[in-house]
Amino acid sequence: AQSVSQHNHHVILSEAASLELGCNYSYGGTVNLFWYVQYPGQHLQLLLKYFSGDPLVKGIKGFEAEFIKSKFSFNLRKPSVQWSDTAEYFCAVILMNTGFQKLVFGTGTRLLVSP
Amino acid sequence: KAGVTQTPRYLIKTRGQQVTLSCSPISGHRSVSWYQQTPGQGLQFLFEYFSETQRNKGNFPGRFSGRQFSNSRSEMNVSTLELGDSALYLCASRISSTDTQYFGPGTRLTVL
Repeated sequence: AQSVSQHNHHVILSEAASLELGCNYSYGGTVNLFWYVQYPGQHLQLLLKYFSGDPLVKGIKGFEAEFIKSKFSFNLRKPSVQWSDTAEYFCAVILMNTGFQKLVFGTGTRLLVSP
Repeated sequence: KAGVTQTPRYLIKTRGQQVTLSCSPISGHRSVSWYQQTPGQGLQFLFEYFSETQRNKGNFPGRFSGRQFSNSRSEMNVSTLELGDSALYLCASRISSTDTQYFGPGTRLTVL
């Protein structure tokens, strides 16, 4: 079955450190890719998305992600994290084959940024 | 444009009872999906409705059901509640099957 893997379940960083969260999916066809963020006590928000075109996409709050088709990856990056980036981050994929495709989520990565 | 709204925000029930949760999508969005979020299992897909028809279903027992109305509003019903049903239930809407999903704040269900 198609799946989405987030290998880092918990990440702890100090402010100003660089961040990279991994996301891999297992599907050989065309995909739409998303990163969502859930801040403490808040609902899931879209961070960024990739449908087509430039594989390096920029999102809100200084986040970016790179789609590498050959590696089936869509890793999230931020050059310098802030305390306010403490949240849970979810990678998600829509598999673009026939039919009505659901959004498949990874298990999430909890990021704690210490001041 | 108003976001996805869910009611109620918090709910406490006892085992064996049933519960109905409501979701109003963003105006113009015809697809509504439901998810269960728990600390142990993460985000698990329940089902998705588009134009009043169920288009996708996750691996949940038949106690979990849903429906969508002609105005795209959706309800989710859980019958014969179990302790393990305690979770945050999230609703999301999107325009089409390949578009971005936008999430509501969720309904926190506690089963005692």
